[in-house]
Amino acid sequence: QVKLLQSGAELVKPGASVKLSCKTSGFTFSTSYMSWLKQVPGPSIEWIGWIYAGDGGTNYNQKFKGKATLTVDKSSSTAYMDLSSLTSEDAAVYFCARINNYGFDYWGQGVMVTVSS
Amino acid sequence: DIVMTQAPLSVSVTPGESASISCRSSKSLLHSNGITYVYWYLQKPGKSPQLLIYRMSNLASGVPDRFSGSGSETDFTLKISRVEAEDVGIYYCGQLLENPLTFGSGTKLEIK
Repeated sequence: QVKLLQSGAELVKPGASVKLSCKTSGFTFSTSYMSWLKQVPGPSIEWIGWIYAGDGGTNYNQKFKGKATLTVDKSSSTAYMDLSSLTSEDAAVYFCARINNYGFDYWGQGVMVTVSS
Repeated sequence: DIVMTQAPLSVSVTPGESASISCRSSKSLLHSNGITYVYWYLQKPGKSPQLLIYRMSNLASGVPDRFSGSGSETDFTLKISRVEAEDVGIYYCGQLLENPLTFGSGTKLEIK
């Protein structure tokens, strides 16, 4: 059974950074592509980027370059996303998802990031 | 960027009737390999999005066959036959042809 379990809600101060995690199970993580997406009320979904767990290769949405950094830990089958220099524009729900030619076929439960002093 | 435009913004459907949702892309999503890289997702209230249709017309695993996808190179339709109460939520189309991957703004389906 495929599972993507994301870390809990975050309250962060403006200018700070946060690291979100996505622990996976039920599939071969090391040969998978993992992606991160942002959802704000509206609603709308934005794709942030993907990372290939095999070699750590990444592909970012230009909009999020410098804002998001994707990494993986193959030993724990976990994907991570660092968000830096947070502002109110970064307040959103962030999802991790597995991506392949079938689309975003499995999603985490989402994590809310609140930016406030 | 490829812009995905959905219509209508919302739709209200009587249980047992059909519903159609449209999605238009600003660029052809037909790749030279013959695959059309459009996908459909449903986000039920309070839940994560779930994959319904991949590559324009293929039903994702576990999705009822009441759902179907069709279209051309730039115009796509998701059809839901015999709508049930569990189908409520926001439907999104998305494209995987080129970066940045993009989504439509969503269509909310409600039950009358």
